[in-house]
Amino acid sequence: DGGITQSPKYLFRKEGQNVTLSCEQNLNHDAMYWYRQDPGQGLRLIYYSQIVNDFQKGDIAEGYSVSREKKESFPLTVTSAQKNPTAFYLCASSIGVTQYFGPGTRLTVL
Amino acid sequence: GQQLNQSPQSMFIQEGEDVSMNCTSSSIFNTWLWYKQEPGEGPVLLIALYKAGELTSNGRLTAQFGITRKDSFLNISASIPSDVGIYFCAGFNNAGNMLTFGGGTRLMVKP
Repeated sequence: DGGITQSPKYLFRKEGQNVTLSCEQNLNHDAMYWYRQDPGQGLRLIYYSQIVNDFQKGDIAEGYSVSREKKESFPLTVTSAQKNPTAFYLCASSIGVTQYFGPGTRLTVL
Repeated sequence: GQQLNQSPQSMFIQEGEDVSMNCTSSSIFNTWLWYKQEPGEGPVLLIALYKAGELTSNGRLTAQFGITRKDSFLNISASIPSDVGIYFCAGFNNAGNMLTFGGGTRLMVKP
């Protein structure tokens, strides 16, 4: 089956720890994206990558880092510098304009 | 940056009622997309619109690309409990080269 997978579905971390969220796609899409969603809120763009080995900051990149070493994979690291990391994180990929989303990872920092 | 104003922010309706929601912008968009997000899941694409004036249906859902290219509408007819979720609009223009998302409309349906 083609699609976007994010793992794990739920993630708990202690304050001050870095944590990496996984995003994989087998749709052969060039572009991939990371969004953050807070309760009752819309989507805010963290980082995006339009091609392997290249990525750009979105609207709220501070405290986050990404890599794009392979076309299929776009992991997001939430660093200890992120002041309020507890949120729902969504990964997406696109061909042309249309973005397709993964199921999301809910990160809770204790 | 570009802004999309989506309204209403939330709706609480009776099963069987029709629903309308819209997105407006001060900028022109070349593409409008409508997504639905169920609780704890990622958004799923419902309808894509590529041409001003275009009217597209997907089952009980109908979306329109406004003539001015600054707005879009989504209608749901005869709502059912499984329509519950958050509906997002998103617009794309070549200048920005990115999708801009509205803030979402939270739909609740009372059986």
